[in-house]
Amino acid sequence: QVQLVDSGGGLVKPGGSLRLSCAASGFTFRDYYMSWIRQAPGKGLECVSYISNSDSTIYYADSVRGRFTISRDNAKNSLFLQMSSLTAEDTAVYYCARVRFPHYDMDVWGPGTTVTVSS
Amino acid sequence: DIQMTQSPSSLSASVGDRVTITCRASQSISYYLNWYQQKPGKAPKLLIYAASSLQSGVPSRFSGSGSGADFTLTISSLQPEDFATYYCQQSYSTPPITFGLGTRLEI
Repeated sequence: QVQLVDSGGGLVKPGGSLRLSCAASGFTFRDYYMSWIRQAPGKGLECVSYISNSDSTIYYADSVRGRFTISRDNAKNSLFLQMSSLTAEDTAVYYCARVRFPHYDMDVWGPGTTVTVSS
Repeated sequence: DIQMTQSPSSLSASVGDRVTITCRASQSISYYLNWYQQKPGKAPKLLIYAASSLQSGVPSRFSGSGSGADFTLTISSLQPEDFATYYCQQSYSTPPITFGLGTRLEI
């Protein structure tokens, strides 16, 4: 079945780095835009980054631009988010999500992986 | 950036009630509006896309309407499993993709 499984979260110290992964299955991964959505504790949803199916379009939220890098490996059906210079404000559950064009609706989500930035 | 304002921020209702949640954009977004449901500890679930199209597998008691800047999500007869938080999301002006702050629907 169509599925996303995100992983790689954990506890990291301020200023540290972490790499999140998202494994896709059950659909043609290379045909879809993909995104990372985060949700801080008790807060709403924030799209931190998305990437087009061919890497030609990449977006970062102002809050992470210059610190986070999104990438994908279409041969391995995988999405990644490299996070560096982490601060407490990056503490959140991170979800990968499949993006459908043209409405940019997100119809498939991973279960989420928790990132906690604390000393 | 386009701002999305949801109202109310929280709502109490009973099983069987008809409920309407509103989302207003800071400018016209045509019909580029999506709705999600999120239960505690779970990922969001797409309910409605393109303002009024029901996502596959979503019960027909959910419906969406509106265009331009004003949109509504209606649940025709609340079921126990519908108590959750609902988010709207605009996709007219991307980037960025922006969400409303959510409406918490409580018993």
